[in-house]
This record gives sequence, structure tokens and C-alpha cells, in this order.
Amino acid sequence: GNSVTQMEGPVTLSEEAFLTINCTYTATGYPSLFWYVQYPGEGLQLLLKATKADDKGSNKGFEATYRKETTSFHLEKGSVQVSDSAVYFCALSEAQTGANNLFFGTGTRLTVIP
Amino acid sequence: DGGITQSPKYLFRKEGQNVTLSCEQNLNHDAMYWYRQDPGQGLRLIYYSQIVNDFQKGDIAEGYSVSREKKESFPLTVTSAQKNPTAFYLCASRTGTVSGNTIYFGEGSWLTVV
Repeated sequence: GNSVTQMEGPVTLSEEAFLTINCTYTATGYPSLFWYVQYPGEGLQLLLKATKADDKGSNKGFEATYRKETTSFHLEKGSVQVSDSAVYFCALSEAQTGANNLFFGTGTRLTVIP
Repeated sequence: DGGITQSPKYLFRKEGQNVTLSCEQNLNHDAMYWYRQDPGQGLRLIYYSQIVNDFQKGDIAEGYSVSREKKESFPLTVTSAQKNPTAFYLCASRTGTVSGNTIYFGEGSWLTVV
């Protein structure tokens, strides 16, 4: 079946450190992949997405590349800021159309300290 | 501005009471969703709807009910049958169920049993 596996958290980094949050998936066909960010007490916001293999999504200094060969969509940022502290969710939307074709990872909490 | 509006932001429920969480979107989206998020946990799907007057159970529908009488509205009722309703509830929507369509979230509603 379809699923998303995220790196266990929490992750604590110093400001300006390099960030990687791992995400791997299992899916039939060719899904679309997403990263969402959730700040404390708020809903999820789309951070970036990629809809086909080798696509790179990017936004606000974050990047993730859709790797079909390794079934991965790892989130990276070269230099994190305190304001990046949040929970990050990797998600998959499978190729088969249907309202229930969304799968979310369990989330990874990032804390950036000054 | 277009978006998803959830209300109330905070709600307290007494034992044995039904409460209704409102979700309204002005994005002209066909598909709408309700998720439950427990502290430090991921998202679990309660109900979803692809079109007006139709909805389907998600993974944890017991103790909840929904209606979809209008395209822009998808209220969630937490009934007294839901034994552990204290959680953060997220409403979401997207244009359609094609894989690449982004899902957008509301700001969430906190429900606490007192």
C-alpha cells in the first residue's frame, strides 16, 4: 500500500546549521510529493511540492528533489533560522484519482536555537 | 482573500454534549476533508467529501458526523459517542483529487472536554 516514512524527531539545530529531514515513500504509480510546515497552534501550510521524478521543489530556502530511484523526497535547507522552528510533514498524493489518495508522514519537529 | 475559515478556534465541550465545528472555504474547491491531530502526533482522516451531498468515512469516523449541503461548507459534529474528543481539528480542501493538486488547510480548531 501507500505510505510515507519520515525521520523521527525532534531535531534540534543551531542557527545557520544545515538541515536535512528524510522522507521516503511507497506508492503505486507516480505520486506527487509535498512538504508542509506547521507552526505552533496553526494549520499546515504548503512549503513545496514536486509532481514528477527529478523535479525539485523549492521555497524560502528549502529544497527537496523527487528521487524515484530511491523513493525519497528529503527536505534540505542550507542555513536554518530560529523562525524555521516548526513541525514538518512529508505527504504523498497517489496517481490514482480519488479524494482519499492523500497520505501524510507523522511529522518531524525542528527546533532552531540561537 | 481566498482561504479556509474554521470556527471557533477554541471550544469546550461538556460530557455528553454534541458540538459542531464550522469549516467554510471560498476557493471553489470540490473536495473537502476533516483531520484530527493529537498533541505531538500526525494527521488522521475523519471524513472527506468529493462533491456536494456526498461524503465518505475516513480512518476514524466513529463518533463524528458531517454534512455537505453546499460546496463551500463542510461542518463536523463531534457527538457524545466520541469518547476522547480532546484534540486539534483541521479542515482542508483542494480543487480536485488529481494527484498534483495541492491541499490547503484552515487554521484549526481546538476542542477540549471539560
